[in-house]
Amino acid sequence: SAVISQKPSRDICQRGTSLTIQCQVDSQVTMMFWYRQQPGQSLTLIATANQGSEATYESGFVIDKFPISRPNLTFSTLTVSNMSPEDSSIYLCSVGGDTDNSPLHFGNGTRLTVT
Amino acid sequence: GQNIDQPTEMTATEGAIVQINCTYQTSGFNGLFWYQQHAGEAPTFLSYNVLDGLEEKGRFSSFLSRSKGYSYLLLKELQMKDSASYLCAVMDSNYQLIWGAGTKLIIKP
Repeated sequence: SAVISQKPSRDICQRGTSLTIQCQVDSQVTMMFWYRQQPGQSLTLIATANQGSEATYESGFVIDKFPISRPNLTFSTLTVSNMSPEDSSIYLCSVGGDTDNSPLHFGNGTRLTVT
Repeated sequence: GQNIDQPTEMTATEGAIVQINCTYQTSGFNGLFWYQQHAGEAPTFLSYNVLDGLEEKGRFSSFLSRSKGYSYLLLKELQMKDSASYLCAVMDSNYQLIWGAGTKLIIKP
């Protein structure tokens, strides 16, 4: 399976600031996904990062709040903008799921705390 | 709506066997995945079922019944390191993954 490097692994940020999370994969992948996992809850898909076009956002998530870049087939960034304490969560980059038996594999996640 | 149900928490004893159940109602079905997630870490893939029956992988087995919308993950010879959350996820007809909330498994000596 692909090796996924995500950074930073954790950060503590002040309200109103922005944080950009990077995700690097060691091979070219078609699909890259950004998830959020709030404490004690399941994974929620934020958006699918598409190479060469805008990301596809899920209901409840908007580009102004979570801008995503996908400049090539091995790299993506997610920015959490104008943060509030409600954005405190683990953010996960994942790849895979291209076919019906292709599992998702995850980066190590970014644990974000907003004060 | 689409829904995945798993028990919130289970406790088992080291060396024993535990079965974690997952029931689902989704728009179509293209497979069911089990993931393990240790506290503070990312989920790691355990198993995939798309046909009815049992898939065995070492100490872990996963079972699927599509007609019942039901799966279970069976963990044998439990070890302390198996203490983790276990996530059930179903791929629907649009190839979207629907995630359960996870089952926290506590292993006691």
